[in-house]
Amino acid sequence: ETGVTQSPTHLIKTRGQQVTLRCSSQSGHNTVSWYQQALGQGPQFIFQYYREEENGRGNFPPRFSGLQFPNYSSELNVNALELDDSALYLCASSSPGRQETQYFGPGTRLLVL
Amino acid sequence: AQSVTQLDSQVPVFEEAPVELRCNYSSSVSVYLFWYVQYPNQGLQLLLKYLSGSTLVKSINGFEAEFNKSQTSFHLRKPSVHISDTAEYFCAVTGNSGNTPLVFGKGTRLSVIA
Repeated sequence: ETGVTQSPTHLIKTRGQQVTLRCSSQSGHNTVSWYQQALGQGPQFIFQYYREEENGRGNFPPRFSGLQFPNYSSELNVNALELDDSALYLCASSSPGRQETQYFGPGTRLLVL
Repeated sequence: AQSVTQLDSQVPVFEEAPVELRCNYSSSVSVYLFWYVQYPNQGLQLLLKYLSGSTLVKSINGFEAEFNKSQTSFHLRKPSVHISDTAEYFCAVTGNSGNTPLVFGKGTRLSVIA
């Protein structure tokens, strides 16, 4: 059984650019959630996707957007990057009927200069 | 809405000593509770969870946590820590009524000293 994977592992961008982060969910999982973890903080919920539709959103601006594909993999897109977007971005997946228990990937560390 | 308070940002402890990492939560609905561990430069690993049933839950590596509804707490304990337990520990809560996101505390850094 393959766990949650994310790519890339690290990324450096400049202010104003756009970035796409990718996540493959654990086998059999159909729900994907994205979190932002700033340095020294706990993860903050960005949004969740279920059956290719957004199924909940945290307090993040619209320039944070996402997609979920038929194979349940997912993308997080961030437009007009700001310095404060520098963080570890974590993807988590959960299984049908057990959506409260989320399994996390290793994360993508984004640095915005 | 839910919130989590982890009362200690850092906990240093000597190897083979016991440890308790404190977690209190706030919620207007019934909850599920979780502890996750994060090793340096890694993602989060699920350590243990309380969904229902016995209020004392245990992990495979010797940690345990007890759900106390009256005190709205879910403290994490281990009777004897190892160097390899050095990591950041996060308490998280979610409502049990449906698709609500995990709300995390700010984390407690456990440093085990040889």
